[in-house]
Amino acid sequence: AQSVTQLGSHVSVSEGALVLLRCNYSSSVPPYLFWYVQYPNQGLQLLLKYTTGATLVKGINGFEAEFKKSETSFHLTKPSAHMSDAAEYFCAVKGQGAQKLVFGQGTRLTINP
Amino acid sequence: NAGVTQTPKFQVLKTGQSMTLQCAQDMNHNSMYWYRQDPGMGLRLIYYSASEGTTDKGEVPNGYNVSRLNKREFSLRLESAAPSQTSVYFCASSEAWVGAEQYFGPGTRLTVT
Repeated sequence: AQSVTQLGSHVSVSEGALVLLRCNYSSSVPPYLFWYVQYPNQGLQLLLKYTTGATLVKGINGFEAEFKKSETSFHLTKPSAHMSDAAEYFCAVKGQGAQKLVFGQGTRLTINP
Repeated sequence: NAGVTQTPKFQVLKTGQSMTLQCAQDMNHNSMYWYRQDPGMGLRLIYYSASEGTTDKGEVPNGYNVSRLNKREFSLRLESAAPSQTSVYFCASSEAWVGAEQYFGPGTRLTVT
């Protein structure tokens, strides 16, 4: 079975500062890992995903994440925060052969001017 | 190309009433999903349909039924609504392979009084 833990339900950073959202997963088989973003009153939109290959994955809007198997982590980063990045972010995992996506509880990102 | 559409956007029900949430996708995806989103709990899978003609329970199926009407449409029915079913409901679809991303609809905000 798979599970996801996102450290910190709320993260606040200043505009221009580094964004770091933490995600740790548990999976008994090699995982597929996803980050989704949800803007207010909207559905979820894929930011990036890791399936196989390169462990540093680049996504939309300047975000990237690194798959670290030894640490069972898939943290999301962005070098310089913009006001438009304010949203809720969800990490999700799926085990190879599994149909179901398991989500973390979400991290709400606030950007301070 | 509308992607994933959901109706209605908002609904208020009294305890014991029934209703059906509609979902349609125009991306020719085989797999479709229903989730509920509650504060601090991320998204939880209610039911999914791996392909036309099949449905399976997710993490929280009690109190719900689904119908995969055809490849495009996947509906969620509440037979006797309860206040615990107050939530935001999202439909999603994806291609069949395990690493495929899920595409989400805009959601239905349901309140049961």
